[in-house]
Formats: sequence, C-alpha cells, structure tokens
Amino acid sequence: GAVVSQHPSRVICKSGTSVKIECRSLDFQATTMFWYRQFPKQSLMLMATSNEGSKATYEQGVEKDKFLINHASLTLSTLTVTSAHPEDSSFYICSAPYAGGRYEQYFGPGTRLTVT
Amino acid sequence: AQKITQTQPGMFVQEKEAVTLDCTYDTSDQSYGLFWYKQPSSGEMIFLIYQGSYDEQNATEGRYSLNFQKARKSANLVISASQLGDSAMYFCAMRDYNQGGKLIFGQGTELSVKP
Repeated sequence: GAVVSQHPSRVICKSGTSVKIECRSLDFQATTMFWYRQFPKQSLMLMATSNEGSKATYEQGVEKDKFLINHASLTLSTLTVTSAHPEDSSFYICSAPYAGGRYEQYFGPGTRLTVT
Repeated sequence: AQKITQTQPGMFVQEKEAVTLDCTYDTSDQSYGLFWYKQPSSGEMIFLIYQGSYDEQNATEGRYSLNFQKARKSANLVISASQLGDSAMYFCAMRDYNQGGKLIFGQGTELSVKP
C-alpha cells in the first residue's frame, strides 16, 4: 500500500537553530501534502498545506516565516523550523492524500522535535 | 466552518466488551468524508474506517463499525470485542473537499482496555 516516510524521526536542537523535516511519498505522487503539529495529549492541528510547484497555504496563526515549507517535487515536501525555540518542541506529522482512487490520507510516522 | 467534537477525553472498557466512542460534526457541505484514526503511544496514525456522506450503509471494517447518524451529525465508532492492543488515542476527523482535502480532527478520546 501507499507509504509516507518522514525523516528524522527524532531531533534535538539548540534554541536559535533551524531544523529541516522531510516528508516523502514512497510509491505514489503527491501534489498536495499536509503538515500537522501535535502537542502532548492534544489533537493534530493543521499547520499548512504544501502544494507542489507553488506556495504553501498556511492556517491562521501559523507564522509562514518561521515554518518554511518547500514542495520541490511530487514526492517530497520539507518543513523547516527556523530559529527554533523551546515552545516549538512538538510532534510534527505530514500526510498525503492518495490520488489512486482511495479515500484515506496516508500519514508519515512523525518527527518528535525537542528544542533545548 | 467545519468542526469535529469528541466529548469523551477518556474511556475505559473491559477486555472482550464493546465500546462506543462518540463523535459529532458540523458542516454546511453536502459532500464530506468522516474518518477514524487510532494513534498508539508510538505516534503513528493508523486509519481505521471511513464513511462518506452519501453512503447509505454504515461502514464496517473487521471489529470496527461506524454508527452514522446523518440527521444528528454524529459518526460514532464502535469497537467490538475489545483487545488490550486497542488501548490508544482515537481521533475522529472530517475531510474538507472544498479545501484540498485536508482533515480536521476532533480532540481525541483516550481508550484504556482493562484485562
């Protein structure tokens, strides 16, 4: 079945540095990918919609200059957390709808970011 | 705006018994999709079941069934014969077809299965 991968699975970085998270669709093309953030014991909150070949669409309240999204190809979207701070520590999950006639979205395994 | 509500932060169920997790939704769209996902402590999102707004029959997938009450705007998940491995967070979600197919999630219900 369709698989979405994320890299890295865990990352620890110092405050003020930038972190890049990759999301790849492994056996299907994804013109759209979604980035979610999840704090402990909370739900998934959509951050932005990543569109191949065009600018990402950010949800209200999400800083586009802080969370840079690049959808460079039909199988790869990246989320860069710039100048990370401890409050950015969270679980980041990407997902991609499968355009092969099925209805569900495929989620990556997530990236746990810890900013010290 | 679309909204998903799960009013049960936590639920307990005895092993081998059935449990119902509640989900209500609000939308003005005629075409929408409703999903349930399971999230174990590892964090991965596991797709369980899907119900389309035009589906006349309730969806079933093995031990999972979705009790779809369109007039009440509810989409409750029923898990039959609970197993210890069912202990996890469960999220109800709605797909917004008008905005690229993004999923909007409810608050989640933490299910604990007792032996």
